[in-house]
Amino acid sequence: QSALTQPASVSGSPGQSITFSCTGTSSDVGGYNYVSWYQQHPGKAPKLMIYDVTQRPSGVSNRFSGSKSGNTASLTISGLQAEDEADYYCSSYTSSSTLVFGGGTKLTVL
Amino acid sequence: QLHLQESGPGLVKPSETLSLTCTVSGGSITTSNYFWGWIRQPPGKGLAWIGTIFYTGSTYYNPSLKSRVTLSVDTSKNQFSLKLSSVTAADTAVYYCARLGVTGTSLWYWGQGTLVTVSS
Repeated sequence: QSALTQPASVSGSPGQSITFSCTGTSSDVGGYNYVSWYQQHPGKAPKLMIYDVTQRPSGVSNRFSGSKSGNTASLTISGLQAEDEADYYCSSYTSSSTLVFGGGTKLTVL
Repeated sequence: QLHLQESGPGLVKPSETLSLTCTVSGGSITTSNYFWGWIRQPPGKGLAWIGTIFYTGSTYYNPSLKSRVTLSVDTSKNQFSLKLSSVTAADTAVYYCARLGVTGTSLWYWGQGTLVTVSS
């Protein structure tokens, strides 16, 4: 299975909105509403931020939102804060009953 | 609050078998039909899904690792385990255990991770 495609890096200023993309195929992202997004700070375990494309776990800020169009899923962070600086990974369920991650995007808050 | 803790050797020799155990506390491994899984992250690189197991023993593996991976669950100890055979330096990574949701499609709770280095 091929990894989902994410841009290597994204940057934004405090208060801005920023969107990450995650591109797959009709066998994963496009075929199921099972895209998740994870935030990982250096040296820490990942944290689930979005599941089932648009759903936020309890306790996750409503500044984080997810969407999908065709084979591309997106994570948007509004009102960017310094604490949002981290690596972000998408994942998707696949037609082979497996999970696949994207390569990750490093977010820099300027 | 659910807590997961990985344990096992931090150093494994090439060609040997890597064995890790995840101990679950704060909840039963058989509760509510959750799935349990393993993920790894080579130093400086991204996340890679290794496999997922249901408490009944049903397993799902990453095709690229399937020939070398075995997941198992011990409900009496509230633990699940990973074995990865014939390891090479490419298997050096931080290994995480995690609890997935009931659909087995998202990773809700993660252990802190444990670094396993493959070296002679």
